[in-house]
Amino acid sequence: DTEVTQTPKHLVMGMTNKKSLKCEQHMGHRAMYWYKQKAKKPPELMFVYSYEKLSINESVPSRFSPECPNSSLLNLHLHALQPEDSALYLCASQGRTVHTEAFFGQGTRLTVV
Amino acid sequence: AQSVSQHNHHVILSEAASLELGCNYSYGGTVNLFWYVQYPGQHLQLLLKYFSGDPLVKGIKGFEAEFIKSKFSFNLRKPSVQWSDTAEYFCAVSYSSASKIIFGSGTRLSIRP
Repeated sequence: DTEVTQTPKHLVMGMTNKKSLKCEQHMGHRAMYWYKQKAKKPPELMFVYSYEKLSINESVPSRFSPECPNSSLLNLHLHALQPEDSALYLCASQGRTVHTEAFFGQGTRLTVV
Repeated sequence: AQSVSQHNHHVILSEAASLELGCNYSYGGTVNLFWYVQYPGQHLQLLLKYFSGDPLVKGIKGFEAEFIKSKFSFNLRKPSVQWSDTAEYFCAVSYSSASKIIFGSGTRLSIRP
């Protein structure tokens, strides 16, 4: 199983809402990532978790709050977002050895209204 | 700072033409190099990867790439493109597992049938 599963696939939320994005993998990967991708742009790194600990935060606003409850799950909690936060949010996971690629989920298409 | 440059923003080819997409990365020691493809409406998929060894790597769907260390380049090639190759192509680099995977700006490939 080389799948990274993200839910929901689409999400529309108001600026005062609280919602969460979920990501799951069962490949035993210990590194998990959140990326943000705007239309016609490359993915931009937001957070990296290594062995369930946050290792990289790319100066992401606090209205985005990541959580890694266990080695298979990664959440992104959203609160008080702005319309410019509308984007495709991608989750990825990577194996523990140096020489391994990242596997990406299909993403959650987020629209903030 | 670590960075990846893709100089071709949009490439338009006819079917059966040969393809070469450029990718250059900034020096940072030992690198892992990747080409990902994103078909319209789909998630990122790995085309090929280079970690070490033979600098000419072969990937899926007839793609190959050559790592030239002296030029900090990892160009993607395909001898004969098909209409189904229409997609966005991203070059990416990482320096270890659970570190940043940095993407280039992407090259949009359009194939005329």
